[in-house]
Amino acid sequence: AQSVTQLDSHVSVSEGTPVLLRCNYSSSYSPSLFWYVQHPNKGLQLLLKYTSAATLVKGINGFEAEFKKSETSFHLTKPSAHMSDAAEYFCVVSGGSGGSNYKLTFGKGTLLTVNP
Amino acid sequence: DAGITQSPRHKVTETGTPVTLRCHQTENHRYMYWYRQDPGHGLRLIHYSYGVKDTDKGEVSDGYSVSRSKTEDFLLTLESATSSQTSVYFCAIQSSYNSPLHFGNGTRLTVT
Repeated sequence: AQSVTQLDSHVSVSEGTPVLLRCNYSSSYSPSLFWYVQHPNKGLQLLLKYTSAATLVKGINGFEAEFKKSETSFHLTKPSAHMSDAAEYFCVVSGGSGGSNYKLTFGKGTLLTVNP
Repeated sequence: DAGITQSPRHKVTETGTPVTLRCHQTENHRYMYWYRQDPGHGLRLIHYSYGVKDTDKGEVSDGYSVSRSKTEDFLLTLESATSSQTSVYFCAIQSSYNSPLHFGNGTRLTVT
């Protein structure tokens, strides 16, 4: 079985300050991990993905995430927040045995607020 | 955006009526998914398909059925809508195992 926990339901930062959105996962197998972003009234858009290559993954819009197997974490960071980053972010884990390989498990989301 | 279209975008229906939501893709992807999104629950998988006429249940499949008669279309049917099925429904497509999902823009369903 696999699971994912987003440690903060809401994060608030000031524009220009760093962003840290935390995600822990559990998986019986080597997982693939993803971060998605959802702007209001929109579908989810892929930010970045980890699939067992480099542990530091760079995504779109200046976001990156580091896979830490020892800590079972995949935290999302950005050096400097922009107003347009305000959205909900979802951490997703994929990976399992047999027919469940393509079933993804979503975290409950972290709402990022960016203050001017 | 990947070629994925959900219809309708908004629907209001009455309790007890059947409702069908459509997901149409132009990417020829093998895998298709229906999720529902509710506050505090994130996205929950309703049903998924791994090929034409090959479907299986997700974690919240009760009260829903699906059909996939051709690669490009995946239909979600609420057999007898209930107020608990008021939600935003997202379709997603996936080309292969462990590749990212690409999402449609969602259907907002209200059951009164």
